[in-house]
Amino acid sequence: NAGVTQTPKFQVLKTGQSMTLQCAQDMNHNSMYWYRQDPGMGLRLIYYSASEGTTDKGEVPNGYNVSRLNKREFSLRLESAAPSQTSVYFCASRFDRFGNQPQHFGDGTRLSIL
Amino acid sequence: AQKITQTQPGMFVQEKEAVTLDCTYDTSDPSYGLFWYKQPSSGEMIFLIYQGSYDQQNATEGRYSLNFQKARKSANLVISASQLGDSAMYFCAMREGLTLNYGGSQGNLIFGKGTKLSVKP
Repeated sequence: NAGVTQTPKFQVLKTGQSMTLQCAQDMNHNSMYWYRQDPGMGLRLIYYSASEGTTDKGEVPNGYNVSRLNKREFSLRLESAAPSQTSVYFCASRFDRFGNQPQHFGDGTRLSIL
Repeated sequence: AQKITQTQPGMFVQEKEAVTLDCTYDTSDPSYGLFWYKQPSSGEMIFLIYQGSYDQQNATEGRYSLNFQKARKSANLVISASQLGDSAMYFCAMREGLTLNYGGSQGNLIFGKGTKLSVKP
C-alpha cells in the first residue's frame, strides 16, 4: 500500500546547485501535482500533469521544471536553487474520473537551500 | 481576494469536547467541492472529508462532520469528542468546475492557510 512515494525525504543544497525531486504513485492515477508548503502559506501549486505527456503551470512555477516520465512518475527539478526555494515539497495524485475524488499526498520532501 | 479563508490560526480544545474549525470560500462557480485535510506534526497530508456543492446533506465521516452553509459560503469542520491525536494542522481546500470532471486545472485544489488545533488533556 505504497500510494505516493517521494524521494528524498530531506535534502540540503547550496545556492546554485541543481536537483530533482522524485515522485511515483502506484494507484494508476492520471493526474499528478507538485506543491510547496511554506509557514503560514498553506500549500501552493507549482506544476501539475493531467495525463502522461502533459504538464501545466500552477500558481508558483518560476524556478522549477517538471517531467511526467510515465503514468507513474512525476519529477520536479530545481535548475539553480535559491534560498527562497527552501520549503517542504509535496507530490500528490488523483483519480480524476469523478470530481469528488481527493488528492493523495506523499510524505513530503524537506528542502533547505543555504 | 483569497478563495479559501481560515480565520483561526490556532485553536485549543479540551480532550473529549467538540471543536469547530472555520472555513469560508469564494467562488462564482455553481459546481465545486470542499475538502478537509489533516497534517500531523509528522508532516503527511491526510484526507478527512468531502462536501460537494450539490450535496443535499452535510458530509460525515466518523467523528468528522461538515457544517456546510452554502448561502454563507462556509464549510466548517466539526470534530466531536476530541482526542489527543487530533492535535494537528487542518487545511480546508476547494476544487471548482466539478461537473467538468476531468484532470487538468479543474482537478486543482486551492488551499487555505490552515488552523493549528491543539487538544489539551
